Amino acid sequence: NAGVTQTPKFRILKIGQSMTLQCTQDMNHNYMYWYRQDPGMGLKLIYYSVGAGITDKGEVPNGYNVSRSTTEDFPLRLELAAPSQTSVYFCASSQGQTISNQPQHFGDGTRLSIL
Amino acid sequence: GIQVEQSPPDLILQEGANSTLRCNFSDSVNNLQWFHQNPWGQLINLFYIPSGTKQNGRLSATTVATERYSLLYISSSQTTDSGVYFCAVGAGANSKLTFGKGITLSVRP
Repeated sequence: NAGVTQTPKFRILKIGQSMTLQCTQDMNHNYMYWYRQDPGMGLKLIYYSVGAGITDKGEVPNGYNVSRSTTEDFPLRLELAAPSQTSVYFCASSQGQTISNQPQHFGDGTRLSIL
Repeated sequence: GIQVEQSPPDLILQEGANSTLRCNFSDSVNNLQWFHQNPWGQLINLFYIPSGTKQNGRLSATTVATERYSLLYISSSQTTDSGVYFCAVGAGANSKLTFGKGITLSVRP
């Protein structure tokens, strides 16, 4: 049981490039989330999903896209990388089935630099 | 949206000391979690505590939902307790969390 797995752990992109951050969980959780953490700050929600085929915007969705084709996977896509997207990205999941509020379990993060 | 304030922003302790970390929030919540981010950046869920009191070893937490605050107690601190402690709250369905800015704890040997 690996929990929440994020890949890659580190990445450097040039301005205007695109990439996909991968997130997979093996806990059969329905709810999945993407956060970004800027230096010295708390986490801000980018997108979330309450189940396969269902996604919704969080607090800071601009410049990102997500999809949720399976329960296990929740990739985050950056289409045109900008320096403001330099951050550490965390994926999380929670049970949230009949009970909507449950502990969230986090991956180890992806450190992304846009140069 | 909900505002989350954590205090103090920074805390330096000698190993073995006790400490209390505070989280205030601006509205009613049905979800409150405490996390520890270690020096390697990993986020560990310490407590899921929308109300009441829980204990786990040297750590305990209390949330008084009616007064909109939560406290995290660390007793007999160890150097491995160093890192950033985040409080995160949610007020609706979908388990969406709003994070505070964190409390940076340094425990010195």
